[in-house]
Amino acid sequence: EPEVTQTPSHQVTQMGQEVILRCVPISNHLYFYWYRQILGQKVEFLVSFYNNEISEKSEIFDDQFSVERPDGSNFTLKIRSTKLEDSAMYFCASSEGTGLSTIYFGEGSWLTVV
Amino acid sequence: RKEVEQDPGPFNVPEGATVAFNCTYSNSASQSFFWYRQDCRKEPKLLMSVYSSGNEDGRFTAQLNRASQYISLLIRDSKLSDSATYLCVARVGSARQLTFGSGTQLTVLP
Repeated sequence: EPEVTQTPSHQVTQMGQEVILRCVPISNHLYFYWYRQILGQKVEFLVSFYNNEISEKSEIFDDQFSVERPDGSNFTLKIRSTKLEDSAMYFCASSEGTGLSTIYFGEGSWLTVV
Repeated sequence: RKEVEQDPGPFNVPEGATVAFNCTYSNSASQSFFWYRQDCRKEPKLLMSVYSSGNEDGRFTAQLNRASQYISLLIRDSKLSDSATYLCVARVGSARQLTFGSGTQLTVLP
């Protein structure tokens, strides 16, 4: 079964450092997403991306965050200057369409900011 | 008010039991609904979409009541492998983002 792959699985970074989380969505999917889950809390939407631009973003996705599709396969989330409260599991996801299209999640990248 | 609210749990049930989870949503513009399961420190995985007429997939039955803004999931003949957190999820209109509930933890005991 095709899957969304993410790297790294775990990253520890110092406060103020830049972090890039990488994702390879499922190959025929057109919609890409980033979600995060702080330990013990619910999964929260960050951003959706379609046709090489951001289509929706949440209040969490402020100027410290950016996304990019640098080539035909990768989809990245950059956090410019990490804060302690950015520590969370970051899930990349993709779907063929919207509506009832299934959104498939990657295994996540666990970010710890110290 | 939380957009998607679930039973807090945890639910601890013996193998073979039937267990039901409830969920309410506050945004009446929500149009698509799903149940995901999440194992500890893993990604959410789609369990089933929820259709207006209700739908069944093996031991799992999902119901939607738009008038009451209420969704349910019934698990029959529960297995040890059903132990997980069950996430109620809504999507508003044609929006792409999913709104997750906080989840209900289920532990099936031998």
